[in-house]
Amino acid sequence: DAKTTQPTSMDCAEGRAANLPCNHSTISGNEYVYWYRQIHSQGPQYIIHGLKNNETNEMASLIITEDRKSSTLILPHATLRDTAVYYCTTVQGAQKLVFGQGTRLTINP
Amino acid sequence: EPEVTQTPSHQVTQMGQEVILRCVPISNHLYFYWYRQILGQKVEFLVSFYNNEISEKSEIFDDQFSVERPDGSNFTLKIRSTKLEDSAMYFCALKTRDWAGDGYTFGSGTRLTVV
Repeated sequence: DAKTTQPTSMDCAEGRAANLPCNHSTISGNEYVYWYRQIHSQGPQYIIHGLKNNETNEMASLIITEDRKSSTLILPHATLRDTAVYYCTTVQGAQKLVFGQGTRLTINP
Repeated sequence: EPEVTQTPSHQVTQMGQEVILRCVPISNHLYFYWYRQILGQKVEFLVSFYNNEISEKSEIFDDQFSVERPDGSNFTLKIRSTKLEDSAMYFCALKTRDWAGDGYTFGSGTRLTVV
């Protein structure tokens, strides 16, 4: 699995868009990019995933660069409840997900 | 994605005792994973399980750990002789297909406290 790099922490004002970057420069052609988040000690919560096209769902948007070496998770209108640790990871097939330290996102009122 | 049920939600056990943590699949899951998270640390992979056998395990998954699906339904993690350092949140994750485009469903977790 590709190694991912994320900023340790980020702040965002409530109501603004939160843009979380992730670098996965060694990603292989059949690896998907996955984003999860964890609030306190709850189980990792799925947010979104994609292969090469940009994706959008009710929670977020995922922008993957054309060379697939990086991606950005966008929370369009951040709320206080979006405060969490956000994990970016890559995976192929049914391999294990590998979680790094993630980005601690704090939404400020 | 709907959450997967894990039981118990919280277990306190004495050091040296055996514990069994359970994960209840909700549909036709074929791939199973256990993770743990020590307080304040990242989520760590323990083991993956497919076709009734371990497909991959981490260095953490030593001889005191075992996994099985005894009734073809529940997926269990057994810790034979618990240590204080086994205190952590344990999460299972499930998957239906060997395709990364098909997501992973995580359980709600079991908080294990070893005293």
